[in-house]
Amino acid sequence: SQQGEEDPQALSIQEGENATMNCSYKTSINNLQWYRQNSGRGLVHLILIRSNEREKHSGRLRVTLDTSKKSSSLLITASRAADTASYFCATGRSGYSTLTFGKGTMLLVSP
Amino acid sequence: KAGVTQTPRYLIKTRGQQVTLSCSPISGHRSVSWYQQTPGQGLQFLFEYFSETQRNKGNFPGRFSGRQFSNSRSEMNVSTLELGDSALYLCASSLDLAVQETQYFGPGTRLLVL
Repeated sequence: SQQGEEDPQALSIQEGENATMNCSYKTSINNLQWYRQNSGRGLVHLILIRSNEREKHSGRLRVTLDTSKKSSSLLITASRAADTASYFCATGRSGYSTLTFGKGTMLLVSP
Repeated sequence: KAGVTQTPRYLIKTRGQQVTLSCSPISGHRSVSWYQQTPGQGLQFLFEYFSETQRNKGNFPGRFSGRQFSNSRSEMNVSTLELGDSALYLCASSLDLAVQETQYFGPGTRLLVL
């Protein structure tokens, strides 16, 4: 079953703009991870944020986590055409050796 | 360090046949997970292996099975293929997913069932 729900389902922006994607989940988590998938290919790990962290940065990526609202956001600053992909959030729970993925946000960055 | 590799990359089968997919994890990784990805259902967890033991299984019929070898390489098998089994099958490895390590994904095997 899907635990994470990404929002929006699709996002279209111009190069240079910022892109924000949101993820909501239902149960308590140990960590939340964001992945990127280019069309029909494997997933690339972007960033992991643990439940005791509120914000993490990696290059042009900024992830926030609000455990009280059971939500996370991924911000990509100064988007490039190469950022065009689907973005998934995945949640991990303590003691469970699985990740549960949302359905993803499709991001289109136009030159 | 080499990434996760999956073979074959593409496969065409007919209904009723069976198929075996292979996954080689990153060196040193002992946890291997399998996922099925379809446009309608998204990424669905199939099973996870650690040190040759299946630790978790998703909600899939018994036609889907897997195993892990002593070198951590894993295979999954689907018997009596159905049209609905057409999907991208992704394998991912981690040091130990139960302690919430990052998963690294392979490129996937795209299976088409005719």
